[in-house]
This record gives sequence, C-alpha cells and structure tokens, in this order.
Amino acid sequence: DGGITQSPKYLFRKEGQNVTLSCEQNLNHDAMYWYRQDPGQGLRLIYYSQIVNDFQKGDIAEGYSVSREKKESFPLTVTSAQKNPTAFYLCASSIGSKKGNQPQHFGDGTRLSIL
Amino acid sequence: AQSVTQLDSHVSVSEGTPVLLRCNYSSSYSPSLFWYVQHPNKGLQLLLKYTSAATLVKGINGFEAEFKKSETSFHLTKPSAHMSDAAEYFCVVSVQDMRFGAGTRLTVKP
Repeated sequence: DGGITQSPKYLFRKEGQNVTLSCEQNLNHDAMYWYRQDPGQGLRLIYYSQIVNDFQKGDIAEGYSVSREKKESFPLTVTSAQKNPTAFYLCASSIGSKKGNQPQHFGDGTRLSIL
Repeated sequence: AQSVTQLDSHVSVSEGTPVLLRCNYSSSYSPSLFWYVQHPNKGLQLLLKYTSAATLVKGINGFEAEFKKSETSFHLTKPSAHMSDAAEYFCVVSVQDMRFGAGTRLTVKP
C-alpha cells in the first residue's frame, strides 16, 4: 500500500540539540515538502524538493535544514537555531514539481516538543 | 500572489443537518482549489479538487464544493452531517505553490 511514513510520531528536543525528523514515501513522487502546523494556523512551508539532490527554501526555512539524497527520502533537521520548534510537522509529496493542479499527499506527522 | 480566507474558524452543526464551510480566495491567475480534512494528530486527506473543469466538484464522504469565479468562493457543503465528519477542514489555493487557509473546525452534535 503506497503512502508516506513519518517517524517518530512524538519527539522531544533538549536545549541546544539538533533533531532529525524522518519522511519516506513509496509513491514514486518527484516532489516532497515539509510543513509546520501551529494551533489555529494553516500550514506553513519550510522546505521543498522538486528532484533528487535539489531543494528550495519555503516561507519559514530559518533554523531548519534538509537533504534529498534519494527520491524516497526527505529528512528534516530542526537545528538549535530554531528558537521555537514546538509544533506539528507534516511531510507531503506530489507527482509534479510544484505544478499547481497536483494534489499533495500527507504523512501522519511528527509532534515535536521542547524538554 | 494568491491567498485564501476561511470565513469561520469554528462551525457547529447537529448530526443529520447540512454542513457549510466557507472559503474565499484571491489569485491573479486561474487557480486550482482543494479542500482537505484533518483528524486529530493525523495528516491531511484530500476531499476534493477543482482544476478548471466542472464548477461543481464532488468529493469523498458525500462532500461537494462549487467554484464561483464571480464571488471568488469555493464553499464546501454536505447535505447531512455525520459524527465522523468532526475534524479540521482546510481550503487551499494553488497556482505555482499551495497556500493554506487557517482552517475551520467542524463540531457535530448528536
């Protein structure tokens, strides 16, 4: 069954620590995305990747980093520079490279909290 | 540039009554429009999409939406609410990239 797998479901970060959120897809999609969701707000784009070995900053990239070494994988690192990392993080993928009429498919998210 | 406004942050209905979730959009170009649903601690699931074909779009679980260009609206409706419809709903406008509304939380009372 095709889909997007995010792990872990819950993650805790200590002060000064970097943490990495995993996102894997077996949909054979070219494009992948990371969003941050805060209560009462819509999703905000952190980073996106249209193709392997290439990625672009979204609206709120500061304090985050990504890599895209394989088509199936798009991990997100929340660095110590991100001062307010507590949020729900969603990974998504789509067939096209940011084509407007292609829907995105979402994982079930990772909830990150500060210890 | 494009943007989307969901006019209600919270809608409450009784089971078996109609549902209306309102969405207005702004776009310089002909957009694609989507509605997604999110249950607690889950990802977003696509309900339906409009991509310049028929203006009345039917989706999953009995939902539908009508694209009205003159009103720049894309409201989501369902004739009869079910308890399982209780969730957060997001309207999305897309030209080159997706812009999400702030969401409408739907509560269904027994």
